[in-house]
Amino acid sequence: KQEVTQIPAALSVPEGENLVLNCSFTDSAIYNLQWFRQDPGKGLTSLLLIQSSQREQTSGRLNASLDKSSGRSTLYIAASQPGDSATYLCAVFSGYSTLTFGKGTMLLVSP
Amino acid sequence: DGGITQSPKYLFRKEGQNVTLSCEQNLNHDAMYWYRQDPGQGLRLIYYSQIVNDFQKGDIAEGYSVSREKKESFPLTVTSAQKNPTAFYLCASRTRGGRIEETQYFGPGTRLLVL
Repeated sequence: KQEVTQIPAALSVPEGENLVLNCSFTDSAIYNLQWFRQDPGKGLTSLLLIQSSQREQTSGRLNASLDKSSGRSTLYIAASQPGDSATYLCAVFSGYSTLTFGKGTMLLVSP
Repeated sequence: DGGITQSPKYLFRKEGQNVTLSCEQNLNHDAMYWYRQDPGQGLRLIYYSQIVNDFQKGDIAEGYSVSREKKESFPLTVTSAQKNPTAFYLCASRTRGGRIEETQYFGPGTRLLVL
């Protein structure tokens, strides 16, 4: 059964820092991996989706990488801002139309 | 605007009571999903449906029931058999049989509290 782990569980940084969030998964037979953002009490917003054949995806200050063989992905946030404060969730799609989620990393960026 | 709506935003359940959470989408998506989220936890799949009049159990289906009579709607009933229903419930939808790169789109969620 696929399991997804995210490290760290929480992270607090000052504004302007570059930071990395980590995600690992146990079964490398995935179709794609997604990073979502969740604000408190809200639904999920998709940030980046990486296909299994891709190595990375970029959107603005966000860059996600995927190493399928080692079962790892990282989300890099450049020049962090207080508005980046949220919980970031990693999820893998292994088929059967369902996603498997990690528990998330709670990020706080202080001014 | 296209999207997914969930209602109500907050729902209170009394002991022994069944309650129903609404999920509606106008994205013309075939597949719909229900997830449960507990504090500090990721999302866990309750039920999903890939087509009208068909649905499958997810990882934590006990104490829940669903129906899929219309493509746009996928209501979730939390029955009295669910002993710990307090959680944040999220509905999502996706194009079935679409490209692998199609993401799931999520609603704003319903928070269920037990009185």
